[in-house]
Amino acid sequence: AQSVAQPEDQVNVAEGNPLTVKCTYSVSGNPYLFWYVQYPNRGLQFLLKYITGDNLVKGSYGFEAEFNKSQTSFHLKKPSALVSDSALYFCAVRDIWKQAGTALIFGKGTTLSVSS
Amino acid sequence: DVKVTQSSRYLVKRTGEKVFLECVQDMDHENMFWYRQDPGLGLRLIYFSYDVKMKEKGDIPEGYSVSREKKERFSLILESASTNQTSMYLCASSPGALSGANVLTFGAGSRLTVL
Repeated sequence: AQSVAQPEDQVNVAEGNPLTVKCTYSVSGNPYLFWYVQYPNRGLQFLLKYITGDNLVKGSYGFEAEFNKSQTSFHLKKPSALVSDSALYFCAVRDIWKQAGTALIFGKGTTLSVSS
Repeated sequence: DVKVTQSSRYLVKRTGEKVFLECVQDMDHENMFWYRQDPGLGLRLIYFSYDVKMKEKGDIPEGYSVSREKKERFSLILESASTNQTSMYLCASSPGALSGANVLTFGAGSRLTVL
């Protein structure tokens, strides 16, 4: 079965420090991987995706993610956290078994809290 | 610049009522989705549609139905609302898979409370 795991419910980091939000996946074949962010009382916003190619993917707001096939991971990173980065982050993988072709399976989410 | 619009941000309904959640997208996307979001459970797919009048069950379709009569509009229907359907409902759309774009665009969400 396909799945995505976000092992941390919450990540706390001080402003200016690097941050990492972890994600591991389990899929058949080559994964399409995504990160989304949700600010309070808002819908999800797309941050970045990995489809193929370079294992380091750069996205919006200074975020990047590293695809690691041997560890089946796709961790989200940022070199210097901002208080405004505080939000709920979701990792997702394309569901290859849904006919739409773009349906996603989401992790349970990780709350990032950046303190000043 | 709003691209996926959910008609109701907050709804309060009573058990047994029929509930309609409406979603409209202005990007001419083929695919549309309804997810529900619950704390600690993430997002779970209820139903999706890959073309007008075409719909398929997602992972948790029980108690729900959908309608897609026009390409831009995708409705979620709760035939008889129950308290366990209290949740945040998120609509999303995307181009078809052949486009290679793969990114879902989400609406702002509809928070439903069933009393």
